Amino acid sequence: GDSVTQMEGPVTLSEEAFLTINCTYTATGYPSLFWYVQYPGEGLQLLLKATKADDKGSNKGFEATYRKETTSFHLEKGSVQVSDSAVYFCALILISGGSYIPTFGRGTSLIVHP
Amino acid sequence: KAGVTQTPRYLIKTRGQQVTLSCSPISGHRSVSWYQQTPGQGLQFLFEYFSETQRNKGNFPGRFSGRQFSNSRSEMNVSTLELGDSALYLCASSQPNSGSWSYEQYFGPGTRLTVT
Repeated sequence: GDSVTQMEGPVTLSEEAFLTINCTYTATGYPSLFWYVQYPGEGLQLLLKATKADDKGSNKGFEATYRKETTSFHLEKGSVQVSDSAVYFCALILISGGSYIPTFGRGTSLIVHP
Repeated sequence: KAGVTQTPRYLIKTRGQQVTLSCSPISGHRSVSWYQQTPGQGLQFLFEYFSETQRNKGNFPGRFSGRQFSNSRSEMNVSTLELGDSALYLCASSQPNSGSWSYEQYFGPGTRLTVT
């Protein structure tokens, strides 16, 4: 079946450091890819998305590029802030004949120190 | 626009009981999905309702069921609760467009269920 693999956390960084959270996937077709962020005590919020190969999603300084050849969708940010501390989830949705099953990674906790 | 709301936010039940959770989607959204989030299994898809019909289903036992009303509000029911059902239950709404296959979802804050 479809699956999403994320790097295990926690990822601990100092403020203004460069962030990369790796995400790779396996899917039988051509999924749409997403990054969600979950702050403590809250639900998930959509951070960015990409719907086809070579698309780059971006939002709030975060970026991720849909790489079909390496089946990856790594999340990057050039300079993290303390307020970016949260859990980040990579997800895919594969649509087939009007049906879909969303698949999420296990989440990667990011801790940013001042 | 108001976001996705879920009630109650916290719930404590005893093994063997049943529970009903409620979700109100963003106005205009017709698709509602339910997820179970646990430290051990992560985020797992339960089912999705669209226009009062279950359209997609994850790999959960029949004790987990749901329904959707004509106003798109949805309820999820778990019967014969087990200790392992303790989790954060998240609801998400979306409004798929025929010209877009992004299916982005908007999540509620969740209901924290504890089974003792």
